[in-house]
Amino acid sequence: KAGVTQTPRYLIKTRGQQVTLSCSPISGHRSVSWYQQTPGQGLQFLFEYFSETQRNKGNFPGRFSGRQFSNSRSEMNVSTLELGDSALYLCASSLDGHPTGELFFGEGSRLTVL
Amino acid sequence: AQTVTQSQPEMSVQEAETVTLSCTYDTSENNYYLFWYKQPPSRQMILVIRQEAYKQQNATENRFSVNFQKAAKSFSLKISDSQLGDTAMYFCAFMNAGFGNEKLTFGTGTRLTIIP
Repeated sequence: KAGVTQTPRYLIKTRGQQVTLSCSPISGHRSVSWYQQTPGQGLQFLFEYFSETQRNKGNFPGRFSGRQFSNSRSEMNVSTLELGDSALYLCASSLDGHPTGELFFGEGSRLTVL
Repeated sequence: AQTVTQSQPEMSVQEAETVTLSCTYDTSENNYYLFWYKQPPSRQMILVIRQEAYKQQNATENRFSVNFQKAAKSFSLKISDSQLGDTAMYFCAFMNAGFGNEKLTFGTGTRLTIIP
């Protein structure tokens, strides 16, 4: 069974640009969460999608957005990039979003903003 | 809001020894879940062990066990017979119970190095 797949794995952007990251969950998983990991702030929750609906949202500015498609694949978008957006963005999927279910993480997309 | 604190930024231990990683948390909730996740260098994060707050019995998974003290809001991880493959960042995490609450609050992590 394939794991959580994130693309691209690495990317470099400049300030002011926008970026779209993709996450394909494990087959059959309906919940997809996104986290930002930085050396300074650690791991922070961005948002969670379940059955194409955003169910939870973290404390990030509106420049950070996401969506989920009918096949459970998810994308997150960051507009008007800032230097501080440089981070490892992790996607995690689970079967139904219940806390007793295990979260499976992808390897992440490492974004560098110059 | 919940907070998770890991007070040991780095630890190292000889192979085959036992090591304990500390974690404390703060919440006003009564039902929740606690987790330890492992993030090896350049590899994805994986779940090590999970504890339901309503269960008094401490969770164990092979060489990994926890000491869950609900009243003290403490959740430590013990790794027995440590192996080189245990070298990784370890994150303690909290999640509220209930469907639709899938949001992990992480601690800052402990970098564990197993010395051959």
